Amino acid sequence: DAGITQSPRHKVTETGTPVTLRCHQTENHRYMYWYRQDPGHGLRLIHYSYGVKDTDKGEVSDGYSVSRSKTEDFLLTLESATSSQTSVYFCAISVSSSGRAAEQFFGPGTRLTVL
Amino acid sequence: AQKITQTQPGMFVQEKEAVTLDCTYDTSDQSYGLFWYKQPSSGEMIFLIYQGSYDEQNATEGRYSLNFQKARKSANLVISASQLGDSAMYFCAVPFSGYNKLIFGAGTRLAVHP
Repeated sequence: DAGITQSPRHKVTETGTPVTLRCHQTENHRYMYWYRQDPGHGLRLIHYSYGVKDTDKGEVSDGYSVSRSKTEDFLLTLESATSSQTSVYFCAISVSSSGRAAEQFFGPGTRLTVL
Repeated sequence: AQKITQTQPGMFVQEKEAVTLDCTYDTSDQSYGLFWYKQPSSGEMIFLIYQGSYDEQNATEGRYSLNFQKARKSANLVISASQLGDSAMYFCAVPFSGYNKLIFGAGTRLAVHP
């Protein structure tokens, strides 16, 4: 258990409204990630963070912003939700091990529906 | 461009038999190895196994093993003695643009039949 929680777990909202998803970790890992999962696409990286106030874009960042003011929290914001942002959103952290690529552990996911 | 291909959208296997799930990758940096994850119907993503690019032996974790063929850029997951609980989506993922980012394949849905 990597101690990752996401809130809310489910949300239904209307087109044009702002939405913020929260990811919280308890183990002070440096790297945090937001992915979205859609049928036929696997997981696609939206944004990631490599420290407090240090963030960068992933492959599908349009329409999303992130913030990380504390090590333990990584927020994903949809400024004006669209139906194309209906998806399941996963937060992840990475744990580095000597001599190998960093393994990622995932939160439970948030199912977002934009009507 | 980085690309991970899982050519089998769906597979089925009889309980207690072995099954192989395919994954090929085409990434500019192949130094970091490859991961496999499992996603059961409950939705969580579960790490299964990792293969380092320079590992001489194929990785194994219990009933999971990798058939890693570096020259062919493939790392197929072999599940031996399938169980009903193995029914899930399976994703392979490769690090890219550095050590700490992953790109995922589209996944293979495995159904284990009794």
